[in-house]
Amino acid sequence: DGGITQSPKYLFRKEGQNVTLSCEQNLNHDAMYWYRQDPGQGLRLIYYSQIVNDFQKGDIAEGYSVSREKKESFPLTVTSAQKNPTAFYLCASSPQGLASGTQYFGPGTRLTVL
Amino acid sequence: QKEVEQNSGPLSVPEGAIASLNCTYSDRGSQSFFWYRQYSGKSPELIMFIYSNGDKEDGRFTAQLNKASQYVSLLIRDSQPSDSATYLCAVNMGGGSNYKLTFGKGTLLTVNP
Repeated sequence: DGGITQSPKYLFRKEGQNVTLSCEQNLNHDAMYWYRQDPGQGLRLIYYSQIVNDFQKGDIAEGYSVSREKKESFPLTVTSAQKNPTAFYLCASSPQGLASGTQYFGPGTRLTVL
Repeated sequence: QKEVEQNSGPLSVPEGAIASLNCTYSDRGSQSFFWYRQYSGKSPELIMFIYSNGDKEDGRFTAQLNKASQYVSLLIRDSQPSDSATYLCAVNMGGGSNYKLTFGKGTLLTVNP
């Protein structure tokens, strides 16, 4: 089955810890994205990558880091510098070359800071 | 700042009625427009997209685009309780950020049996 997977589904972090969220896709999509969703806030873009070994900051990149070493994978690290990391994190991918920019989402990871 | 605005709702309609969801956007150069449905606790799923002025129909869903008024809407005919969800409007504002979407905060729709 083609799709986007995210793991884990739920993640608990102690204050001061870094955690890494996994995002994998087998859709052969070039572009991948990370969003954060808070209640009543909609989706906010953290980072995005259009090709391997390249990525750009989104609107709320502070306290986060990413890598794009493989086309299929775009992990997100939530660092201790992120002051309010409790949120629902969504990974998406999009095939390049489509001017529409249609994005497809993974199931999400819910991060809670204890 | 480029923005996408939606009425947060909740919008409540009876089963079988037409639900009308609205979205406005600030960037006149926006190129493509998307509607996503998000059930509580789940990730967004694409309903449909539209590029050109006018209507686009897909089953019970119709997207309407008016670029002059910077307005896009989604109509859901014969609404069902299973349509109860938050509906997100997203806009590709094109230009140098051709692959980025800007999302509205969503409209919560409740369909009452």
